[in-house]
Amino acid sequence: AQSVAQPEDQVNVAEGNPLTVKCTYSVSGNPYLFWYVQYPNRGLQFLLKYITGDNLVKGSYGFEAEFNKSQTSFHLKKPSALVSDSALYFCAFGTSGTYKYIFGTGTRLKVLA
Amino acid sequence: DTGVSQDPRHKITKRGQNVTFRCDPISEHNRLYWYRQTLGQGPEFLTYFQNEAQLEKSRLLSDRFSAERPKGSFSTLEIQRTEQGDSAMYLCASSLSEYNEQFFGPGTRLTVL
Repeated sequence: AQSVAQPEDQVNVAEGNPLTVKCTYSVSGNPYLFWYVQYPNRGLQFLLKYITGDNLVKGSYGFEAEFNKSQTSFHLKKPSALVSDSALYFCAFGTSGTYKYIFGTGTRLKVLA
Repeated sequence: DTGVSQDPRHKITKRGQNVTFRCDPISEHNRLYWYRQTLGQGPEFLTYFQNEAQLEKSRLLSDRFSAERPKGSFSTLEIQRTEQGDSAMYLCASSLSEYNEQFFGPGTRLTVL
């Protein structure tokens, strides 16, 4: 079955330190991969996507992610975390010819001042 | 604001009542999606429209659920004979194509007493 996994329920990082939120996928074919962020009582905001091309993609608010086909991973990174980055982060994938996204269970990022 | 809008934002109802939610997508987007999100989980796909045609429905969408997009613009999601298990956040999203990211609305939080 196709799926996406976010192995960490919560990640804590000190403000100013680099952060990584992990995502791995199990998909037949070539996936489209996405990261979304959700703040309390709000919908999901798009951060970045990988469709094809350069494995390193840059997105909103200084976030970036690297598509690694051999490790089937798409980890979200940021060089210097801000307290305002504290939120719930979701990894998702879609595939060509399908319409729906499959979401991970989310990782809560807590940036400590 | 030209984003995806949803109405109402919150709905409290008694078990057995019918409820209807509305989604207005971004105006030029012909693809519209409904998802359901419960606490501690990522969004789960419910159904998809391309223009006015409903092209896919999840097995999560029981016979009590029906969705329409009559003129290919706004969409409604109706739940008949609500059950306590229907309590969730109902998210609507829209996109231009399968290669473009889905933009999400703020959601409708349903509480069934």
